[in-house]
Amino acid sequence: GQQLNQSPQSMFIQEGEDVSMNCTSSSIFNTWLWYKQDPGEGPVLLIALYKAGELTSNGRLTAQFGITRKDSFLNISASIPSDVGIYFCAGQLYSGAGSYQLTFGKGTKLSVIP
Amino acid sequence: GAGVSQSPSNKVTEKGKDVELRCDPISGHTALYWYRQRLGQGLEFLIYFQGNSAPDKSGLPSDRFSAERTGESVSTLTIQRTQQEDSAVYLCASSPWDSTTNEKLLFGSGTQLSVL
Repeated sequence: GQQLNQSPQSMFIQEGEDVSMNCTSSSIFNTWLWYKQDPGEGPVLLIALYKAGELTSNGRLTAQFGITRKDSFLNISASIPSDVGIYFCAGQLYSGAGSYQLTFGKGTKLSVIP
Repeated sequence: GAGVSQSPSNKVTEKGKDVELRCDPISGHTALYWYRQRLGQGLEFLIYFQGNSAPDKSGLPSDRFSAERTGESVSTLTIQRTQQEDSAVYLCASSPWDSTTNEKLLFGSGTQLSVL
């Protein structure tokens, strides 16, 4: 089945630093999504990307959909303590019979040192 | 409520027992997903419901797992004869079925299942 390789697995950074994480896949996806998950909660969507090469920003977050449609990165600028959490990439492909399945990476755990 | 509601939030059971997990989607959301998240892992797709269409069960790991949904309302995920490897957080998500399906996919807080 489809697999997403997300890296790094974890990061420890100083408050104010920029962060970069990425996902690669052996398969092509139609859509790339980035989520953040806080402890005890479900993932919350940060950014959705629909076109190869698309670069999208949401506040301090910037994400890009790779030209090959097999990769994506997420950047966080000027990190703050509330950025702490687990970030997941997810690729979406129409799987037929009206079903849109999301394939998730294993997550990047971000820790911010004040 | 305004969000996807899951119950119970925590469930501890003995190996071999059956468990039933419940998901109340957002009113009007026709699409409903169940995912499993093992400790330190990403989310694994289990099953998908869309309106009255036949569900996509391709992610269910074994015949011990089943799920039902009545119309466009409540869904229950049942795990029979639980095993220790079933311990995980089970997440439910719902969305409207339109061009905004991706952006409006909302997750519940999950049920933490522990099988002793």
